[in-house]
Amino acid sequence: DVKVTQSSRYLVKRTGEKVFLECVQDMDHENMFWYRQDPGLGLRLIYFSYDVKMKEKGDIPEGYSVSREKKERFSLILESASTNQTSMYLCASSLKGLAGDEQFFGPGTRLTVL
Amino acid sequence: RKEVEQDPGPFNVPEGATVAFNCTYSNSASQSFFWYRQDCRKEPKLLMSVYSSGNEDGRFTAQLNRASQYISLLIRDSKLSDSATYLCVVAIYNQGGKLIFGQGTELSVKP
Repeated sequence: DVKVTQSSRYLVKRTGEKVFLECVQDMDHENMFWYRQDPGLGLRLIYFSYDVKMKEKGDIPEGYSVSREKKERFSLILESASTNQTSMYLCASSLKGLAGDEQFFGPGTRLTVL
Repeated sequence: RKEVEQDPGPFNVPEGATVAFNCTYSNSASQSFFWYRQDCRKEPKLLMSVYSSGNEDGRFTAQLNRASQYISLLIRDSKLSDSATYLCVVAIYNQGGKLIFGQGTELSVKP
């Protein structure tokens, strides 16, 4: 069974703090993704990575950065957290594919920025 | 215009009912199509892929109309356990595995 784990289920941070969200997958997947999910807006892609040290901007990268130093780990960084970054953050992984392999999601991190 | 559009619902149906969800996509280069299911406070999971010829998995039938850029999901004999949000998902060829998610349609099956 593919397993995608995220470092925290719930996180509360203050405005201006630097926030790290960690994601680890155990199935040797090439692709990894970070989304945020908000009511009425659905899942929106922040960043994705198709290989170690490679990253691509998604639809809403502003205010975020990512790091992929190892194949199994993909980190999302909020350099200076703001209240509008309060959201559910979901990490996903998939095999390398050209036309959309199944994405396996982690359980999510609910981040609240005060 | 959103790339993938769905009626957000909610759809409230009694057990045993048949319910259909529709989805339209705007990019004609879309190559692969899926339905994902997301239970309340859980992560999305793949329900089924959608093929041009249409496909069925038990009580679930998915159909694709490329000419109209339209995807559907039919659920027959609804169960209480079918209550969830159903996400229409599209992949465009050669975009590094990127998927485009619709906002989701909420289904609530009542006794």
